[in-house]
Amino acid sequence: AQSVTQPDIHITVSEGASLELRCNYSYGATPYLFWYVQSPGQGLQLLLKYFSGDTLVQGIKGFEAEFKRSQSSFNLRKPSVHWSDAAEYFCAVSRGAGNMLTFGGGTRLMVKP
Amino acid sequence: EAQVTQNPRYLITVTGKKLTVTCSQNMNHEYMSWYRQDPGLGLRQIYYSMNVEVTDKGDVPEGYKVSRKEKRNFPLILESPSPNQTSLYFCATRGGGEVAHTQYFGPGTRLTVL
Repeated sequence: AQSVTQPDIHITVSEGASLELRCNYSYGATPYLFWYVQSPGQGLQLLLKYFSGDTLVQGIKGFEAEFKRSQSSFNLRKPSVHWSDAAEYFCAVSRGAGNMLTFGGGTRLMVKP
Repeated sequence: EAQVTQNPRYLITVTGKKLTVTCSQNMNHEYMSWYRQDPGLGLRQIYYSMNVEVTDKGDVPEGYKVSRKEKRNFPLILESPSPNQTSLYFCATRGGGEVAHTQYFGPGTRLTVL
């Protein structure tokens, strides 16, 4: 069965520090991978996606992610975190005929001043 | 402005009292779906619809119904809500072509069943 794992439930970083959020997936075919962000009390906003081609993808708000097939990973990175980045981040894979999304459990990011 | 709207945004109800959460989109998308979000579990798909009058079960359909009579609307129906359906619910929609796998989410409906 397909699954998405985000090993870190909570992460705290200092403002200005770099960030990496981990995502591992289990999926037999070529995956379509996504990162979404959910700010407190808000819906989900798409940060970036990977369908094919260049394995390093750029997203909004200065985020990027790298697809590594050999490691079944799609980690999200940002070189310098801002206080406004505090939110919950979800990795997801699109699967099936209905293109259903399977989500990881989420990683809650806190940013220290 | 392209958007997905849900109503109500917040709802407190009691066990067994039927309720409907509405979802509407103005993007002319054929595909719509419902998810529930629970702590530590991420989002799990309840039902989805590939087009008008075409619906199918997602991963957690028990206790829910949906209908798709119009392209823009995809209501979620709880015929007899139970406390384990207390959750945050999201409607999502996606288009076709090269953006076929990218889903856009509504603002969410927080449901509490007492």
